[in-house]
Amino acid sequence: DAGVIQSPRHEVTEMGQEVTLRCKPISGHNSLFWYRQTMMRGLELLIYFNNNVPIDDSGMPEDRFSAKMPNASFSTLKIQPSEPRDSAVYFCASSFKQGAIYEQYFGPGTRLTVT
Amino acid sequence: AQSVTQPDIHITVSEGASLELRCNYSYGATPYLFWYVQSPGQGLQLLLKYFSGDTLVQGIKGFEAEFKRSQSSFNLRKPSVHWSDAAEYFCAVVGTGTASKLTFGTGTRLQVTL
Repeated sequence: DAGVIQSPRHEVTEMGQEVTLRCKPISGHNSLFWYRQTMMRGLELLIYFNNNVPIDDSGMPEDRFSAKMPNASFSTLKIQPSEPRDSAVYFCASSFKQGAIYEQYFGPGTRLTVT
Repeated sequence: AQSVTQPDIHITVSEGASLELRCNYSYGATPYLFWYVQSPGQGLQLLLKYFSGDTLVQGIKGFEAEFKRSQSSFNLRKPSVHWSDAAEYFCAVVGTGTASKLTFGTGTRLQVTL
């Protein structure tokens, strides 16, 4: 089992550029989560999908952020335009949700630096 | 709304000493509770979880945690710490009625001295 795969692992970009983060969940999992981790705010849930459908995007900071899950094996988180305050580590996690009981498996994260 | 408090931001213990990391949660009904560990530059790894049943749960790497409903706590313990346990530890809770949203504590950074 390869675990959750995220790419790129590191991204440095200039303010105003578009950034796309990618995630491949564990095969067979039906839920996918995007988190952001910063020193100031800790771990924040941005959005999560169940069966490829966005269920809760209340954590998405603003319209500059968007997320898609076109199929069960791939998701993207896009920031357009990026700003320095978006600098953070972005984690993707997946789980197999049966009822209300599940556990999330995290990817290694993408460290984003916006200059 | 559910919440998690980890009162200790940073803890230092000697290798071989015992460890207890504190976690208090706030949730009206029965919570599902988790402990995750994050090594520098890595993602979060699940150490253990509590859903129901026996209130003392065993996890990986020799860790255990005890659910105490009366104290709203889920403290993580290890009898003898190894230098490789140095990392950041996160407690998390999901409420049964909160549509799968994990809420994390702010984390406790563990330093192990030799």
